Amino acid sequence: KAGVTQTPRYLIKTRGQQVTLSCSPISGHRSVSWYQQTPGQGLQFLFEYFSETQRNKGNFPGRFSGRQFSNSRSEMNVSTLELGDSALYLCASRFIGTGNTEAFFGQGTRLTVV
Amino acid sequence: QQQVKQSPQSLIVQKGGISIINCAYENTAFDYFPWYQQFPGKGPALLIAIRPDVSEKKEGRFTISFNKSAKQFSLHIMDSQPGDSATYFCAASGLNSGGYQKVTFGIGTKLQVIP
Repeated sequence: KAGVTQTPRYLIKTRGQQVTLSCSPISGHRSVSWYQQTPGQGLQFLFEYFSETQRNKGNFPGRFSGRQFSNSRSEMNVSTLELGDSALYLCASRFIGTGNTEAFFGQGTRLTVV
Repeated sequence: QQQVKQSPQSLIVQKGGISIINCAYENTAFDYFPWYQQFPGKGPALLIAIRPDVSEKKEGRFTISFNKSAKQFSLHIMDSQPGDSATYFCAASGLNSGGYQKVTFGIGTKLQVIP
């Protein structure tokens, strides 16, 4: 079974630009969550999508947005990039069932804003 | 607002020693407490998890101790090995107001096991 796939692995963007990151979940997993990882802040939750609808949202500005497609693949968009957006962006997928389920993470997209 | 507080942020342990990472939470609605292990260049992976109806769970050299009344839980790594060197995240999970599971992570602990 293929794991969670994130593309691209690395990105360098300029301040003010926008960027789109992609996440393909494990087959059968319908929930996709996005996290921002920085050395000083750990894993910060951005949002979670399930059945193409945002179900949870973290405390990030509106420049961060996402969407999920009917095949459960998800994209995250960051507009008007700032230097502080440089981070590792992780996607995690879950099987939705009764109770708590394990989150499986991709390897992440390393975004550098210059 | 940091709902899950994790300490220490970095830890150096001698090979064969015990590594201990502590976490505290605030929200009593949390009902699932996983620990994730992350190696450089990789995404976090589930290591071990516990539910609040038990006080301890052991898997090999890894043990979670859970204190519901104190709202604290900890990870113990016995006989620590250099291969255990990684970043460890504690997490707490519960349902949000919409009935969907939300996972909150601690800040992470970078563990280095030296020979």
